[in-house]
Amino acid sequence: GQQLNQSPQSMFIQEGEDVSMNCTSSSIFNTWLWYKQDPGEGPVLLIALYKAGELTSNGRLTAQFGITRKDSFLNISASIPSDVGIYFCAGLISGSARQLTFGSGTQLTVLP
Amino acid sequence: GAGVSQSPRYKVAKRGQDVALRCDPISGHVSLFWYQQALGQGPEFLTYFQNEAQLDKSGLPSDRFFAERPEGSVSTLKIQRTQQEDSAVYLCASSPDAYEQYFGPGTRLTVT
Repeated sequence: GQQLNQSPQSMFIQEGEDVSMNCTSSSIFNTWLWYKQDPGEGPVLLIALYKAGELTSNGRLTAQFGITRKDSFLNISASIPSDVGIYFCAGLISGSARQLTFGSGTQLTVLP
Repeated sequence: GAGVSQSPRYKVAKRGQDVALRCDPISGHVSLFWYQQALGQGPEFLTYFQNEAQLDKSGLPSDRFFAERPEGSVSTLKIQRTQQEDSAVYLCASSPDAYEQYFGPGTRLTVT
């Protein structure tokens, strides 16, 4: 089945720094979603992207849908302690399929 | 408004027991999904409903797994004769359009 390669697997950054993570795939996706998951909770939707080349912001978060439709990245600016968690990318292929394919996650730790 | 709710939040079952996991989607959401999340991994698709119709069950790992949504609202995921490999977090998501999926907190199943 489809696989999403998400990197980096983990990141340790200082509070106030910017963060970048990305997902790549060998398959074309028509929708990219970015989620954040805290321990013991379900994933929370951060940003949804629907068009190749689209750049979307949500507060300090910015995500882009790659031109080739095979990749996406998420940037977090001026990180704060509550940004700690696991970030997942997820892709959706058009047509009859509705299931999301998830990356393996990026564990973000913000040091004070 | 209320988000997706799941119950129980934690379930311990002896190997061979049957379990039933409940999902209450966001009111009015047509689409409902079940995912399985192993420790340290991203969620993996199990099955998808549009209203009461189960349109895709390709992710169910065996015939011991069964899901239903008889009135197009609440859904139940049933696992018969549980095995240790069934231990995971089971996530339910609902969507108004099958694109942006909103997750519940999950049920952590431990099979001993």
